Amino acid sequence: SQQGEEDPQALSIQEGENATMNCSYKTSINNLQWYRQNSGRGLVHLILIRSNEREKHSGRLRVTLDTSKKSSSLLITASRAADTASYFCATDYRGSQGNLIFGKGTKLSVKP
Amino acid sequence: EAQVTQNPRYLITVTGKKLTVTCSQNMNHEYMSWYRQDPGLGLRQIYYSMNVEVTDKGDVPEGYKVSRKEKRNFPLILESPSPNQTSLYFCASSYSGGGYGYTFGSGTRLTVV
Repeated sequence: SQQGEEDPQALSIQEGENATMNCSYKTSINNLQWYRQNSGRGLVHLILIRSNEREKHSGRLRVTLDTSKKSSSLLITASRAADTASYFCATDYRGSQGNLIFGKGTKLSVKP
Repeated sequence: EAQVTQNPRYLITVTGKKLTVTCSQNMNHEYMSWYRQDPGLGLRQIYYSMNVEVTDKGDVPEGYKVSRKEKRNFPLILESPSPNQTSLYFCASSYSGGGYGYTFGSGTRLTVV
């Protein structure tokens, strides 16, 4: 499988702390995306970073991409209880015809 | 509101009884896809469509059919459902494949008994 792999599988933090999730992948990509899923609901697109970008910000989210290590990280700063969700990375592999391959996700729990 | 609409939201059916899960998007997206989500296995792609009348298999197409006769609709058909198709199903669409973010539907929880 060419899935991305998120790490850790689960993360529990206190409100106000920062949360960092990592994603590793296997082959060359066009871009990498992060999604959030609240329990049993549809995934919501958070941010897309292209292979020629190294860092991207959106509000309290910061995403980095290291293509030499084939890895990405998602940082959520000043977390809130409402950030409790599963977070998935998805990769658009070169030659994939535009299909995203999703990892298994990191389950984030933010305690009030 | 830009959205992907899936129906039904929940479905319980019996083995062998044909069913269709509908998916419709109102964003004029070219690309549409179906995924199933199972505990411990993540999201796995079933079928995708690059445009009208253009469909192709994903990673787990066995037991499923799709069609794309109109740009906005991409129904998922289970001709003879079996219990191993019990899962949470998601339809997604994108302007043009993986170069853009996907918009997901709310999901269909299917139970086959």
